[in-house]
Amino acid sequence: EIVLTQSPGTLSLSPGERATLSCRASQSVTTTYLAWYQQKPGQAPRLLIYAASSRATGIPDRFSGSGSGTDFTLTISRLEPEDFAVYYCQQYGSSLWTFGQGTKVEIK
Amino acid sequence: QVQLVQSGAEVKKPGASLTVSCKASGFTVTNYYMHWVRQAPGQGLEWMGIINPSGGSTTYAQKFQGRVTMTSDTSTTTVYMEVSSLTSEDTAVYYCARGLRSTKSFDYWGQGTLVTVSS
Repeated sequence: EIVLTQSPGTLSLSPGERATLSCRASQSVTTTYLAWYQQKPGQAPRLLIYAASSRATGIPDRFSGSGSGTDFTLTISRLEPEDFAVYYCQQYGSSLWTFGQGTKVEIK
Repeated sequence: QVQLVQSGAEVKKPGASLTVSCKASGFTVTNYYMHWVRQAPGQGLEWMGIINPSGGSTTYAQKFQGRVTMTSDTSTTTVYMEVSSLTSEDTAVYYCARGLRSTKSFDYWGQGTLVTVSS
């Protein structure tokens, strides 16, 4: 099973700042099978990025994904008030799906 | 529009079984795989398993094998997940999610079902 480790655990930033979230895999992940989600309190997760760098429908272009192999990054170019949330990466491999433990982006 | 509507909150006693339903609309359910993901209070997301409603084949995460059963009823476009031998560790919000075959990501999610296991 591929383990995803996200860092940092919590990111304290101000609106307008840039957020950089990391997702590291215990073994290589097919780029097509790496996704990112946003979750706000009391809500279901929302797909942001699929195939490592493609934005899902309706996702603003301030969200971008990059990376390959074992290292992936989600970048929010300028934080808006509605972007403060928890973010999860997710991968598929060997007929199994796994999630990272999440990064909380909080208002500084 | 795509919708996944789950059954309501449940309170169960330890040792009991639980069934959560997820009714799909706005798309052809047999063209997609359906997943179940859970989230314990204050914790992250945990993938439980997948069902192909076209044929009913399933794959479960090793942690849940033998205790979780996923089924589907294509006539009502509903998928179900049964969890047996509940313990307090099963207290969580359970989500169904639609899986994309090409990218293996989850593009639509149900609203979640809170399950509380308590004596």
